Amino acid sequence: EAGVAQSPRYKIIEKRQSVAFWCNPISGHATLYWYQQILGQGPKLLIQFQNNGVVDDSQLPKDRFSAERLKGVDSTLKIQPAKLEDSAVYLCASSSLSYEQYFGPGTRLTVT
Amino acid sequence: QKEVEQNSGPLSVPEGAIASLNCTYSDRVSQSFFWYRQYSGKSPELIMSIYSNGDKEDGRFTAQLNKASQYVSLLIRDSQPSDSATYLCAVNIGSFGSGTKLNVKP
Repeated sequence: EAGVAQSPRYKIIEKRQSVAFWCNPISGHATLYWYQQILGQGPKLLIQFQNNGVVDDSQLPKDRFSAERLKGVDSTLKIQPAKLEDSAVYLCASSSLSYEQYFGPGTRLTVT
Repeated sequence: QKEVEQNSGPLSVPEGAIASLNCTYSDRVSQSFFWYRQYSGKSPELIMSIYSNGDKEDGRFTAQLNKASQYVSLLIRDSQPSDSATYLCAVNIGSFGSGTKLNVKP
């Protein structure tokens, strides 16, 4: 069974630029999550999708971050414009009904 | 008060010993609890889930849950150097602790 796929793996951008991350969950997993993990901290949930509907986006900075999950499968997370404090690893995870989450390899974002 | 609290460590144990990792949480009505392992530079990997009070064993790992005390722990028996990693406690769907770094010395 293929795991969670993410791309790109690394991205370096200048502040005020925009960036987008892509995630393909495990086949059949209805729930998809985007997390931000800053070095030395635990993952912080940004947004949770159930199929193509948003369940929780309470910690998503909506003035600059957006996410969508078209057709209930792939998802994209966008940052526009990026700030220095957005430098982090962005993790995508998926789960079935059990809520046991399986993480992708992550995208390491550096904002200069 | 953080929702999920863990001692950051590092916790150092000799090879073959039992490593005990602890986690407390603030939401009294929490229903699901997870332990993830994260190697340096890698993404978290699910080790165990636990939903009911008591112990749950899987190989060398035992998760313990005490909802009255709002406390969940992970025991690793016969610790190996390959167990050296950061262990993340997660409560419910998206609340993670900051993790405890475990060092197993050969």
